[in-house]
Amino acid sequence: NAGVMQNPRHLVRRRGQEARLRCSPMKGHSHVYWYRQLPEEGLKFMVYLQKENIIDESGMPKERFSAEFPKEGPSILRIQQVVRGDSAAYFCASSPESGQGASPLHFGNGTRLTVT
Amino acid sequence: SQKIEQNSEALNIQEGKTATLTCNYTNYSPAYLQWYRQDPGRGPVFLLLIRENEKEKRKERLKVTFDTTLKQSLFHITASQPADSATYLCALIGVNQFYFGTGTSLTVIP
Repeated sequence: NAGVMQNPRHLVRRRGQEARLRCSPMKGHSHVYWYRQLPEEGLKFMVYLQKENIIDESGMPKERFSAEFPKEGPSILRIQQVVRGDSAAYFCASSPESGQGASPLHFGNGTRLTVT
Repeated sequence: SQKIEQNSEALNIQEGKTATLTCNYTNYSPAYLQWYRQDPGRGPVFLLLIRENEKEKRKERLKVTFDTTLKQSLFHITASQPADSATYLCALIGVNQFYFGTGTSLTVIP
């Protein structure tokens, strides 16, 4: 049973470029969450998606950031025109049901984005 | 907004002793609280879930308590081992998201 797969593990982008982070949830999971983590800080919620729908994007900056979870294929977190402050570890997690349930989150091992 | 505080300083304990980690929260009354373990360079891994109507939950050497009056959860690791060294995160379950604390770094010294 494959876990949550994130790729790439490491991504280096120059300021102004675009970053695309991919996440394949666990088999049978239709709920995906994206979190951002800076060193010595906790996980900060960005966005919660179900298949083809954004349920809650309250933690995601309005500009430059977007997320999708299409009917087929992985969830994508897209950061346009990256700046140095976007450098962080981005984690994806999946769950078989919504946050109101008692199901735990299953995390991938993250994508470490470095903006030079 | 929700505020979750965990032991602000790293915790160092001797092998074989019991480690106790604290999670305090404000501005919320969660129905569930979860604990995760995170190793360097890896994603968090789920350990235990406790419901608001449960006072205590155990799993092998792990024990979690949940005091909704104090708005506090305690996480205990008994007979600690060096392999228990990691960062431990508590999480509150909200409407559409999980709110995570900043974590407590635990080091078990052989």
